Amino acid sequence: DIQMTQSPSTLSASVGDRVTITCRASQSISSWLAWYQQKPGKAPKLLIYKASILESGVTSRFSGSGSGTEFTLTISSLQPDDLATYYCQQYDSYLYTFGQGTKLQIK
Amino acid sequence: QVQLVESGGGLVKPGGSLRLSCAASGFTFSDYYINWIRQAPGKGLEWVSYISGSGNSIFYAASVRGRFTISRDNAKNSLYLQMNSLRAEDTAVYYCARDSHSGYHYYDFWGQGTLVTVSS
Repeated sequence: DIQMTQSPSTLSASVGDRVTITCRASQSISSWLAWYQQKPGKAPKLLIYKASILESGVTSRFSGSGSGTEFTLTISSLQPDDLATYYCQQYDSYLYTFGQGTKLQIK
Repeated sequence: QVQLVESGGGLVKPGGSLRLSCAASGFTFSDYYINWIRQAPGKGLEWVSYISGSGNSIFYAASVRGRFTISRDNAKNSLYLQMNSLRAEDTAVYYCARDSHSGYHYYDFWGQGTLVTVSS
């Protein structure tokens, strides 16, 4: 199975900051990576797929990049509404595994 | 609009059974793979199972294989998860989630989840 490792596990930042979350795959997954946002008590929401394509309706403050084994999710200017846990997920090959999550806190 | 609504969760004793349902609306249900994905309290996301639109392709995570059975009724726009021989480690919120519109195995719509608690 492909292992997905996110860093950091917890991140504290201020409103207006540029925030970056990293996701590493244990083997190459090309660009078959999605990012989700999960707010407390809610279901996950798709943000980005194929590593860098923004899902319809998602604010352009979110962007994704990377290929192969290393990927990043960037929030260009952090807003209070971004308080959430963020997960990456590979869909290159079965088993379609998630990272362990990055909990984003607002200072 | 696309909606997925889970039901059937609750408290069950170890070794017991439970059947979850997911009612879909707002899209052509039979055109999509649908998944069950779970989240233990305070933990991350774990994919559990998927079923193709026709029901002919089914996969399970190793942790539930042989105990859980996924099925669907396209006439009723409904997905099911029959869970047998439940264990404490199956305690989680169970989400149904639709495979992407492009056919790849990422998830573009999720239900609100239903909580399953396995405890004596």
